Amino acid sequence: QQQVKQSPQSLIVQKGGISIINCAYENTAFDYFPWYQQFPGKGPALLIAIRPDVSEKKEGRFTISFNKSAKQFSLHIMDSQPGDSATYFCAATGGFKTIFGAGTRLFVKA
Amino acid sequence: SQTIHQWPATLVQPVGSPLSLECTVEGTSNPNLYWYRQAAGRGLQLLFYSVGIGQISSEVPQNLSASRPQDRQFILSSKKLLLSDSGFYLCACSTLGEQFFGPGTRLTVL
Repeated sequence: QQQVKQSPQSLIVQKGGISIINCAYENTAFDYFPWYQQFPGKGPALLIAIRPDVSEKKEGRFTISFNKSAKQFSLHIMDSQPGDSATYFCAATGGFKTIFGAGTRLFVKA
Repeated sequence: SQTIHQWPATLVQPVGSPLSLECTVEGTSNPNLYWYRQAAGRGLQLLFYSVGIGQISSEVPQNLSASRPQDRQFILSSKKLLLSDSGFYLCACSTLGEQFFGPGTRLTVL
């Protein structure tokens, strides 16, 4: 019940295309859903986050879509750029703990 | 905003040697603090978290221990390292649900 399932494991997208990463959770006590971006050898950096009272949040080229009834949320990266190539982690927070998905390695081809 | 410092950045240690990794936080008070381990190409495994000085919760039974001697200092230790302790160790702090990560320590046990 504490798991966050993330897919796909890896993703290759053409420059200018849309990257879509999906996550699903089980525990309805989670109340905060962040996405992190990690470059090799660096710590993860908070990218964008959403709370369950909102169905969508957009910041620049990054959008989170949240479906509370399905317990699913996704990250959309519009106009993907080679600089977006990184590993992306979804997460779900409840209380003191944050549970992370396994990560998606995104490669954007120039 | 908070800043998280971790040192050392990289460490190579022989099997059976002791370990001490330090994390300090600036720009916030009374944060929740976390230690994660990330194996190569893998997700984040929560090792320990702390909600206050001297308060440590362990998530995974293992060869490691943690201490919080001051509000903004978190230490990860081991008396005898194992090969399986190799990995990328990340310290994180959270306030209001958002987790922020330090730059990490790359530990190689030979």
